[in-house]
Amino acid sequence: EADIYQTPRYLVIGTGKKITLECSQTMGHDKMYWYQQDPGMELHLIHYSYGVNSTEKGDLSSESTVSRIRTEHFPLTLESARPSHTSQYLCASSDPRTSTGELFFGEGSRLTVL
Amino acid sequence: GQNIDQPTEMTATEGAIVQINCTYQTSGFNGLFWYQQHAGEAPTFLSYNVLDGLEEKGRFSSFLSRSKGYSYLLLKELQMKDSASYLCAVNSWGKLQFGAGTQVVVTP
Repeated sequence: EADIYQTPRYLVIGTGKKITLECSQTMGHDKMYWYQQDPGMELHLIHYSYGVNSTEKGDLSSESTVSRIRTEHFPLTLESARPSHTSQYLCASSDPRTSTGELFFGEGSRLTVL
Repeated sequence: GQNIDQPTEMTATEGAIVQINCTYQTSGFNGLFWYQQHAGEAPTFLSYNVLDGLEEKGRFSSFLSRSKGYSYLLLKELQMKDSASYLCAVNSWGKLQFGAGTQVVVTP
């Protein structure tokens, strides 16, 4: 069973608020990812990291930012939330040493911006 | 660019077999994954193909043809709990690109 945790699971906030979505994994994985998924739509990669102090933007442009100060922790921040940021955010990690490199996903954070 | 296509929805009865097709056009290819995602939950890994051919894992099998840019996921002996979205994902240059998913509805 994967050990990757996201908080909060659900968040409803007003426009203009700053929010941080937390993601932690206890598997020692170097690679971590943030995906954004709207209902019934595909997952879009918005950020990824190959290790401590490594962060890259994904294929879908996002106003969010990420940091990777510790291997196990990969938080995502929105400085000023807007209704267009309403979505589900999924964090994932992978171990490049495995033959498949499969992703292990957290439960997701469902964000609603009013 | 990246393009991963799969049907939007499929319906089948309990005990039946369903085949979900996935076609892809990506700039790089390092393997193809199938994930299962129940509503409101995280995707969970089902299968991985990097070489051509069929991989069987219990009731689920996955096939890959790299020359055709084609894969399918075969679900046998369908159970009600198999009702979920099935995501095709291609590893392109170390990053997973996902299709929109196929919603499988299993009816009694």
